[in-house]
Amino acid sequence: QLQLQESGSGLVKPSQTLSLTCAVSGGSINSGGYSWTWIRQPPGKGLEWIGYIYQSGSTSYNPSLKSRVTISVDRSRNQFSLKLDSVTAADTAVYYCARVLDFGGHYFDSWGQGTLVTVSS
Amino acid sequence: DIQMTQSPSSLSASVGDRVTITCRASQSIRSYLNWYQQKPGKAPKVLIYAASTLQSGVPSRFSGSGSGTDFTLTISSLQPEDFATYFCQQGYSTPSFGQGTRLEIK
Repeated sequence: QLQLQESGSGLVKPSQTLSLTCAVSGGSINSGGYSWTWIRQPPGKGLEWIGYIYQSGSTSYNPSLKSRVTISVDRSRNQFSLKLDSVTAADTAVYYCARVLDFGGHYFDSWGQGTLVTVSS
Repeated sequence: DIQMTQSPSSLSASVGDRVTITCRASQSIRSYLNWYQQKPGKAPKVLIYAASTLQSGVPSRFSGSGSGTDFTLTISSLQPEDFATYFCQQGYSTPSFGQGTRLEIK
């Protein structure tokens, strides 16, 4: 069974870069033609899509975050990563990684457990 | 951007009740609408995709309908494990979510 696990710094100072990794196990990140995604959820609030990395390696980002976000993949380690630059307190959230299924539209069928990132000095 | 609006924001119901949650898109999204359930401290879990297709392993008391801009999630007979928050998500363009509907025990 596919499993995803987020890891990275839980505390980031304002203006610095948030860095997270999603390790995929129980399947290869290279197989099935899947895309992968990051989604976040501020405490007590709703879900916000951050971006995709497609099987081709190309990316797509939420326009509201596009200038600060980079998603990349390390196929040799079966993982993909998120970097968010110039963070502020508004970036405090639980960050989830997930697999994308394409039925014409997209939905997210396997999720990591989430990791809380707090932006504070 | 496509805005997704759910109603109600919260709902109190009893075990055995039939419950309906509504999601409206700001423009047509055809049938590219998905529903998720989230319990406290857990990741969301997909229930329904493509407006009405039940994800594998999801109980048949969950059903979805709609197309274009108006969609519904129905739980035919609430079970204790169904008390959670439900989100809709459009997969037609840049993904966006509804604000959530919190389903509480009456």
